[in-house]
Amino acid sequence: DAGVIQSPRHEVTEMGQEVTLRCKPISGHNSLFWYRQTMMRGLELLIYFNNNVPIDDSGMPEDRFSAKMPNASFSTLKIQPSEPRDSAVYFCASTAPPGTYGYTFGSGTRLTVV
Amino acid sequence: QQQVKQSPQSLIVQKGGISIINCAYENTAFDYFPWYQQFPGKGPALLIAIRPDVSEKKEGRFTISFNKSAKQFSLHIMDSQPGDSATYFCAASLPHAGKSTFGDGTTLTVKP
Repeated sequence: DAGVIQSPRHEVTEMGQEVTLRCKPISGHNSLFWYRQTMMRGLELLIYFNNNVPIDDSGMPEDRFSAKMPNASFSTLKIQPSEPRDSAVYFCASTAPPGTYGYTFGSGTRLTVV
Repeated sequence: QQQVKQSPQSLIVQKGGISIINCAYENTAFDYFPWYQQFPGKGPALLIAIRPDVSEKKEGRFTISFNKSAKQFSLHIMDSQPGDSATYFCAASLPHAGKSTFGDGTTLTVKP
């Protein structure tokens, strides 16, 4: 298995533009998580899905952020409109509870909003 | 109740020494305690994990010590190597929830 695949690896965009981050979880994993990592705030859970259904989106900073998981093999995180304070590394992770709770993280998307 | 407190924030150890990172939790319902290792430019990677029915788990040079009564667990890296220099995160998960609560991370530097 190729692991959790995220795209793009790097994204530079101008303030006000729409940004879409993509994630392909490991096949058979039924939980998917979106995290944001910054120096100031560390790893923040934005939203997570179980069996493609959003379970907890309390970490989504505001309405500019939205996430979807249309099927078991694909998820998107969209920011519209983007702002400079959204600059961070965004990670997607998947896991397959019950039985094992360890996450497999993707390599992340480094987002820079100028 | 969901918080996991990790210390120290940063740690410098000489090659061959022992690195120790500590975490404390409040919620006694947590039933899975993983540690992740993150290198610059990479995502965190699962390193080792423990469940509360055991007090210690060892995998190579990495050991988790778990103290259920004190609600604390720690990562010990024996014979630390420069290649161990990374950020380490502890975490705790609730049963069947899938969702983990992460500590703030410890940046480990192993000097040659």
